[in-house]
This record gives sequence, structure tokens and C-alpha cells, in this order.
Amino acid sequence: GESVGLHLPTLSVQEGDNSIINCAYSNSASDYFIWYKQESGKGPQFIIDIRSNMDKRQGQRVTVLLNKTVKHLSLQIAATQPGDSAVYFCAETYSGNTPLVFGKGTRLSVIA
Amino acid sequence: DVKVTQSSRYLVKRTGEKVFLECVQDMDHENMFWYRQDPGLGLRLIYFSYDVKMKEKGDIPEGYSVSREKKERFSLILESASTNQTSMYLCASTIRGGWRTGELFFGEGSRLTVL
Repeated sequence: GESVGLHLPTLSVQEGDNSIINCAYSNSASDYFIWYKQESGKGPQFIIDIRSNMDKRQGQRVTVLLNKTVKHLSLQIAATQPGDSAVYFCAETYSGNTPLVFGKGTRLSVIA
Repeated sequence: DVKVTQSSRYLVKRTGEKVFLECVQDMDHENMFWYRQDPGLGLRLIYFSYDVKMKEKGDIPEGYSVSREKKERFSLILESASTNQTSMYLCASTIRGGWRTGELFFGEGSRLTVL
């Protein structure tokens, strides 16, 4: 039968500190990556994306880094706020023509 | 604003019951998706649809079926619910090729408990 993982990785950070959430993606052919944020009781919402021809992209308080060599993606949140508390998912696709494949998620908990 | 509405936020069903989860989007999106979300497993794709009456299996279609009779509505059906289908179900929609720009819009989820 299918093995079930019940553990959601959790990152706890102090308010005002920077957060780094990591993601290892699975398909070396993936060429487009997205980070989603899911607040309690809501569906995931788009935060930031990056294409494989880039290794860094910045948004407002968020930065995504892509390392294709080791198939690693990270989301950096500057000056973390209580409103950043949520579950964060990375997602990948290739050729722009296939459904997104989501990672397992990381829970970010901000300590006031 | 795009709105994806899932008809039931919480359902409790018994083993063997037939379960319908309904999803409606109001932005004329071609693509609609059903995901299942479990702690530590992330979002797993059950089925998706590129157009009316079209459906494609995702990664975990066993035990599920779908119906897309109208463009705005995508239904997930559990023919005979089992306890291992207790989960959070998320519906999403996007324009054709919308995941190229990250524009996947989610509903708020339907939490199903099968006893």
C-alpha cells in the first residue's frame, strides 16, 4: 500500500528575521517554478515565479533562488511578519504544457 | 477577482456512500483541476480537464471520477467512499496554458471525512 507521510516540515522564525524555505524539485526537465502560500482555511495563492533561464528573481520582500545543478529552489522572505505564517509550496512544470507538480510543503511559524 | 467556489467546506460521509464535490469558477477558464491535500504529502493531482467533456487522469485517479458538462463546473465523484479518502480536496482553475504564468486559482477546499 501507499506510505503516508504525516509530518509537515516546520520552520519557526522570530518576527523581523529573514526566512528561507527550501524545496528540492524532482524533474530536471522542469523549466518553470512557482511558490504558493496557503493560509489556514484557504486555498494556495501565487507568490512568485521563476523560469529556468534565471537563477534569481525578486518581488516585494520575497526572493526566489533557483539552482538547476542540484535541482533546488528556495524562497527567502525578508523581515518576516506574523501575516507570513502559512504553509508554503513550491511547484514545477516543464514545457509550459503540463499541470503543476507540487512539493510537500513547509509550514512557516512566525514568533512575535 | 477570480472566484473558484467549492460547494461544501465540510462533509462527513459513511464508507460506501457516493460523494459529489462540486466546483464552479466564474472566469471562463478552460482548465480545471482537482487536487487532494494531505499533511506531509502536499497537493496531489487527481484529475484535470482542458475543456468541456474532456478529462485527463492525474497522479492518483484511482477511486475517483470527474464530470465536466459545462465550462464553469467541474465535479469530483467518489463512487464508493472509503476511509482512506478522508482528506482536503482543492479545486483550481486557470486559463489555457495559465500555469506558464502561475495563474492557478484555488477554491477554499472541501474537507471530507469518511467514517
